[in-house]
Amino acid sequence: EDQVTQSPEALRLQEGESSSLNCSYTVSGLRGLFWYRQDPGKGPEFLFTLYSAGEEKEKERLKATLTKKESFLHITAPKPEDSATYLCAVQSNSGYALNFGKGTSLLVTP
Amino acid sequence: SAVISQKPSRDICQRGTSLTIQCQVDSQVTMMFWYRQQPGQSLTLIATANQGSEATYESGFVIDKFPISRPNLTFSTLTVSNMSPEDSSIYLCSVTRDTDYEQYFGPGTRLTVT
Repeated sequence: EDQVTQSPEALRLQEGESSSLNCSYTVSGLRGLFWYRQDPGKGPEFLFTLYSAGEEKEKERLKATLTKKESFLHITAPKPEDSATYLCAVQSNSGYALNFGKGTSLLVTP
Repeated sequence: SAVISQKPSRDICQRGTSLTIQCQVDSQVTMMFWYRQQPGQSLTLIATANQGSEATYESGFVIDKFPISRPNLTFSTLTVSNMSPEDSSIYLCSVTRDTDYEQYFGPGTRLTVT
């Protein structure tokens, strides 16, 4: 059975203080690993899909990396507007549905 | 990306009634999905809806409780039937583009059952 574990559950950073969020996963055959951002009361906003170990993708202050067992979402010099819940999900090669972790709630203070 | 809209955005319903949620996409897509996000929890897949075939339900979800329609490649509905307070959740539809596996979500429907 696919499993996705995100850590930490919550993270508080000062503006400009870089950090990383972790997503550990087990899946029978990985088609893709997805990162989303979710603001309160809204649907998840797509950030990245990573398909193979060693792959990296960047978007503004965010950089996602992938190994065979985990993915990291690195946040460089965060700003208060980066405050949100970040969700990780895996998609196995047996289907297209996403299996989500519980998320990391990030708060960036001025 | 895909632009997805859902109606209604929120509703408060009485126990025992049913609510139908609509999902509209701005382009044709083969695969549409319905997820539930209970308070303080992450997303759980309810079913996959492909045009021209019956929806495929995940373990713990049944067609009698969550009937789904998919009449064309841009539209789907999810009905939450015979509601109880435990059905209070955010219901989200998502789509996967035919060109890749990226999956995009609608804004969600916040349902409260009293």
